[in-house]
Order: sequence, then structure tokens, then C-alpha cells
Amino acid sequence: GAVVSQHPSWVICKSGTSVKIECRSLDFQATTMFWYRQFPKQSLMLMATSNEGSKATYEQGVEKDKFLINHASLTLSTLTVTSAHPEDSSFYICSASGVGLGNQPQHFGDGTRLSIL
Amino acid sequence: SQQGEEDPQALSIQEGENATMNCSYKTSINNLQWYRQNSGRGLVHLILIRSNEREKHSGRLRVTLDTSKKSSSLLITASRAADTASYFCATDFKAAGNKLTFGGGTRVLVKP
Repeated sequence: GAVVSQHPSWVICKSGTSVKIECRSLDFQATTMFWYRQFPKQSLMLMATSNEGSKATYEQGVEKDKFLINHASLTLSTLTVTSAHPEDSSFYICSASGVGLGNQPQHFGDGTRLSIL
Repeated sequence: SQQGEEDPQALSIQEGENATMNCSYKTSINNLQWYRQNSGRGLVHLILIRSNEREKHSGRLRVTLDTSKKSSSLLITASRAADTASYFCATDFKAAGNKLTFGGGTRVLVKP
């Protein structure tokens, strides 16, 4: 149980393009989803916390107009990297936690490797 | 700086040996979790230990938590080549709800 699906797993696009990444909880309702960014050989850095039906909470230094997050349902959150540039190239990972699961682990998607040319 | 710091940053061992890695954190926590990440993949949850627990086992994994020292350790016994991965500790602390803060990770290489 507790499967999180992230799509796409890999995307290459030209500079200036906007890219949307989806994160779905397949077998549980995710009241909260988290978006992380990871550079090679580094740890995960939390970008934002997304709660179903409300605005996302962004971490300090993360541009909310650059990284648009929508959490329209209990099973889907999306991250849109707007007007992407080469410096946005990174590995983006989502995770989800479910209803009433305060002491339960977050469940992670398999990540999306984004390469901007 | 990150809530969790891990050491060593990298570890290379022979198959069959034990691997130990440590994690330190700075503020009071609700839980501490350990995750594994294979190269280019997402994170796989290994163990969650609550702040009122001191030790937990899961198969070949043993996790300890010392809240007085604000530290935790992950021991992998009888390692296998398939254990080659990066291992991260992650803490969530009372003021931040379920938000996790990750340590820098330990890259483990198990040589056959």
C-alpha cells in the first residue's frame, strides 16, 4: 500500500518552456503533499508543502511564481516550473502523507529528472 | 543549516560486513526516519522511530535514538551488494507538523 506515482520520470525541454510534473497517491488520500528538489549527490531540499484545497506554503528562497503548485484533489498535486531555464535542471521529488497519519512516514514518488537545454 | 547532519558522508565495505551511519539533529523532534535512495530513484522508507523510543529493528536494520545527544544511528548487518545506496535520516519536529528535514546522507557502497 501507500504508493505514490510521479510523472513524468524524465523530461528534456528547451529554455523558456513550462513543465508540469504530477504527483498522485494511488491507494490513499493525501491531505498533504511535499515537493523537494535534489541536486546531484546532495540531499533533498523541501520546496513547498501543499495541502488539498488551499494555497501551498513555500520555503524561504523558493519563488512561488516560478514553481506553481496546485493540490486540487486528495490524490493529485502538480508542480509547474514556469519559463524553465538551465539552472532549473534538477531532480524533483514529491511525497505524500495521508489523513490522520501524523506519525506515519511520508511516501515518495520516484522523482522527475528535469533537464533544460 | 539542515536539521540533520550525517556521518560518514561515504562508506565503502565488503559484502557481509556491517555498515553503521549516524545522524545528529538540533531541535526536539516528533519522529526520526531513515530512508534509502537508489541512484536516480525516489526514497524508500526504512524505519520510523518515535521520540520516546530508543531502539527499533526491521530485518537486518537496527536504528537507535538518543534524544539526550540528539542523535540516531542506522546499522545494516550482513550487508549485501543490493544495499548499495544513499541513506538519509529525516526529522520532523513539533513546531513544523509533518514537514521533514533531511540530513546530508551517507553514500554506501557494498562491494561483492
